[in-house]
Amino acid sequence: AQSVAQPEDQVNVAEGNPLTVKCTYSVSGNPYLFWYVQYPNRGLQFLLKYITGDNLVKGSYGFEAEFNKSQTSFHLKKPSALVSDSALYFCAVRDGGNQGGKLIFGQGTELSVKP
Amino acid sequence: KAGVTQTPRYLIKTRGQQVTLSCSPISGHRSVSWYQQTPGQGLQFLFEYFSETQRNKGNFPGRFSGRQFSNSRSEMNVSTLELGDSALYLCASSSEGRLRGEKLFFGSGTQLSVL
Repeated sequence: AQSVAQPEDQVNVAEGNPLTVKCTYSVSGNPYLFWYVQYPNRGLQFLLKYITGDNLVKGSYGFEAEFNKSQTSFHLKKPSALVSDSALYFCAVRDGGNQGGKLIFGQGTELSVKP
Repeated sequence: KAGVTQTPRYLIKTRGQQVTLSCSPISGHRSVSWYQQTPGQGLQFLFEYFSETQRNKGNFPGRFSGRQFSNSRSEMNVSTLELGDSALYLCASSSEGRLRGEKLFFGSGTQLSVL
């Protein structure tokens, strides 16, 4: 069965510092990995995805993620954090074949960026 | 283009009642999926509809049901409400839902409180 794990419930970063939100995955076959962000009282917004190709994926709002097959990881990164990046971040893997499917989410990591 | 619209935004019900939540996908999107979000269980997949047919179903009891109309709008129904059904219910749409690399567009959700 496909699964993702986010080992940190919370990450605290000072504004201007680099940030990393960790995600590891377990899949059979090729992984289709996603990062979504959720701001308070809102739905989820797509940040980026990995399907195939370059291991470094660039996404919205200056975020990027590094796919590492040997470590089965897909960590989200940003070189310089902003206070407005404070939100709940979810890593997800796509389950199912090309007849529909679902996203399996990690438990989420709350990112707090302090001025 | 308007985003995914969910109504109502908030609902308060009592145990034993039933509730219907509504979701209007992005224009042109034919796949609609539903997720339940709770602090304890995180984000869990409920079901997915495509062209008025349920294509995938998660591990929820039969009290949870849904349907999709010819205009792709979707409703989900929960009968005989239990306290544990209190959650944020998120609807997501995508154009086809078949491709594993396809991203989902989420609504802001319906916050259901069962008293």
